[in-house]
Amino acid sequence: AQKITQTQPGMFVQEKEAVTLDCTYDTSDQSYGLFWYKQPSSGEMIFLIYQGSYDEQNATEGRYSLNFQKARKSANLVISASQLGDSAMYFCAMRESYGGATNKLIFGTGTLLAVQP
Amino acid sequence: DSGVTQTPKHLITATGQRVTLRCSPRSGDLSVYWYQQSLDQGLQFLIQYYNGEERAKGNILERFSAQQFPDLHSELNLSSLELGDSALYFCASSAGEATNEKLFFGSGTQLSVL
Repeated sequence: AQKITQTQPGMFVQEKEAVTLDCTYDTSDQSYGLFWYKQPSSGEMIFLIYQGSYDEQNATEGRYSLNFQKARKSANLVISASQLGDSAMYFCAMRESYGGATNKLIFGTGTLLAVQP
Repeated sequence: DSGVTQTPKHLITATGQRVTLRCSPRSGDLSVYWYQQSLDQGLQFLIQYYNGEERAKGNILERFSAQQFPDLHSELNLSSLELGDSALYFCASSAGEATNEKLFFGSGTQLSVL
């Protein structure tokens, strides 16, 4: 069964430093997508970055990059130059492909990041 | 603004009651997903519709039902409400069902069952 594991319930980082949020996944499928979402205290879910299982290069979106290690089934999010506004809950998610159609996104339990001035 | 609209933002009701949550997807998106977020269960997938058809079901209780209408908006109906149904309910949409399509989330409906 597909599963996403985020082992860090909470993390602190100093402003302007880089931080890595861990995510491992379990799937038997060859085609899948990995996503990271941010949920600030206001509650909305904000898309950050996407990595496809066949993508050869690690995805980057501004200060966000995804350290994708397929053999280890890990998709860690790296946030560079942390800002106070980065304080939020971060969710790793996975979407599988089966039977030619894909649908649901499953989420990990999240990591609460606190950026300290 | 994700473009996904959910109403109402907050809902307070009593046990045993029935409520309807509404979702309007982003313009052009055919897929609608419903998720429940609670402290003990985290983000749980409930159900997905694509262009009016049910496509996938997750941990959705029999007391809950959903549908997607011809104009693509969706409603999630929760009946015989229990205290444990108190949660944040998200609707999300995507253009289709490809692996790389990201989901855009609404701001959620906070349901409190008293």
